[in-house]
Amino acid sequence: EPEVTQTPSHQVTQMGQEVILRCVPISNHLYFYWYRQILGQKVEFLVSFYNNEISEKSEIFDDQFSVERPDGSNFTLKIRSTKLEDSAMYFCASSRTDRVDRTGELFFGEGSRLTVL
Amino acid sequence: DAKTTQPPSMDCAEGRAANLPCNHSTISGNEYVYWYRQIHSQGPQYIIHGLKNNETNEMASLIITEDRKSSTLILPHATLRDTAVYYCIGVISNFGNEKLTFGTGTRLTIIP
Repeated sequence: EPEVTQTPSHQVTQMGQEVILRCVPISNHLYFYWYRQILGQKVEFLVSFYNNEISEKSEIFDDQFSVERPDGSNFTLKIRSTKLEDSAMYFCASSRTDRVDRTGELFFGEGSRLTVL
Repeated sequence: DAKTTQPPSMDCAEGRAANLPCNHSTISGNEYVYWYRQIHSQGPQYIIHGLKNNETNEMASLIITEDRKSSTLILPHATLRDTAVYYCIGVISNFGNEKLTFGTGTRLTIIP
């Protein structure tokens, strides 16, 4: 069964460093998302992406965050200057949304754990 | 999107049916009820969804009350691998802006 894959599974970085988290969505999917989950807290929406541009972003997704689909397969989340509070599990997701009755069916990756020291 | 309310935790014996309730009294007419689960710290996994009618798939059944103010997710024969946090989420289909709003969910523990 097709799946969303994410790399790295775990990254440790120093505060102030740039981090890029990578995702390979399911190949025929059209919409892409990043969510994050701080340890012990809720899963939070960060950003949605369609047709090479951001569809919607949350207030968490400030200027230090950016997303890109550099080629036909990868979808990346860049954090420009990491802060301690960016430590979290970051989940990539994708969906097809060609059917209005299935548009909430997102396929999530296993996550990338980011630890900022 | 409708706010949903779920019990924080539930236990269920292995092999029995697990019935997870969700209240969504403010749900709008075009809002679907989606269920996801998260096993340990893995990525959330889609389970099932519905609008008005009851639904069944290979993982679970979803019973939605006639007034659509509440629903129940049923795992017919729970196994230890069903231990997870289960989320009930209201979703208005918006072709790509499906910003899922996760609550705290129900932590289901399957007891051997």
